[in-house]
Amino acid sequence: ETGVTQSPTHLIKTRGQQVTLRCSSQSGHNTVSWYQQALGQGPQFIFQYYREEENGRGNFPPRFSGLQFPNYSSELNVNALELDDSALYLCASSSPGATDYNEQFFGPGTRLTVL
Amino acid sequence: QKEVEQDPGPLSVPEGAIVSLNCTYSNSAFQYFMWYRQYSRKGPELLMYTYSSGNKEDGRFTAQVDKSSKYISLFIRDSQPSDSATYLCAKDLRQGAQKLVFGQGTRLTINP
Repeated sequence: ETGVTQSPTHLIKTRGQQVTLRCSSQSGHNTVSWYQQALGQGPQFIFQYYREEENGRGNFPPRFSGLQFPNYSSELNVNALELDDSALYLCASSSPGATDYNEQFFGPGTRLTVL
Repeated sequence: QKEVEQDPGPLSVPEGAIVSLNCTYSNSAFQYFMWYRQYSRKGPELLMYTYSSGNKEDGRFTAQVDKSSKYISLFIRDSQPSDSATYLCAKDLRQGAQKLVFGQGTRLTINP
C-alpha cells in the first residue's frame, strides 16, 4: 500500500507568480485535505475535497484553489503569490466511514519559498 | 484568541524522563482531540486520538482530556532520543469532519 505522496519536494517562486502543487492520496482514500504550515507554526486547514467536490474551506483567500480528480489525487493552486505564502504545504488523505475515528494520513509536504 | 493554544517550547529533557505536553482550547463544540508527532522534514503522524474526558494509554504514551477546564495533555514515559520531534495537539471540528485545528506545536529534544 502506497502512502500519500506530494510533488515537488521543494519549489522557489517569485512574488506574483502562480504555483501548482500535487498530491496522490493513499490507496482507497477518497478525501483529501490541504494544510499550510508556516515555519514554527502548526498546520492551518486550507480546504478539503471529497469525491471531486470542495467540502469545506478554511480562512484562505480565493487565490488558493484546488481540484480533485477521479482517481482522488488532488492539486492545490495558488495565484498571485505573496511572500507570506512561503510555507510547507501538506496534503492529507482519509476515507470517511462508520468507524470511531478516521485517521488522516499526511504526505511529506512541499516546501514553497516565495522571493 | 486561537482555538488551540500550545506552548512552543523548546523543551529539552534527559533520556528516561517523563515528558508532559499541554494544550488548551476554546470552543466546546463536539470534537475529537489528537496528538500528532512531526519529525524534521516530514509530515505529521497520528500518535493518539481521544474524545472522552479522562486518560487513554498506548504504550509509553498517555493522552489526557479535561473538558471542564478545556485542557489536553500528552505524557511520555521513559522518554527516548527517538522521541525528539515536534508534538502537535489538534482537534477536529466535529465527528468525521477531518478538518483539523492545530496548536503551534512543541519542539521536544530528548538528550542521551
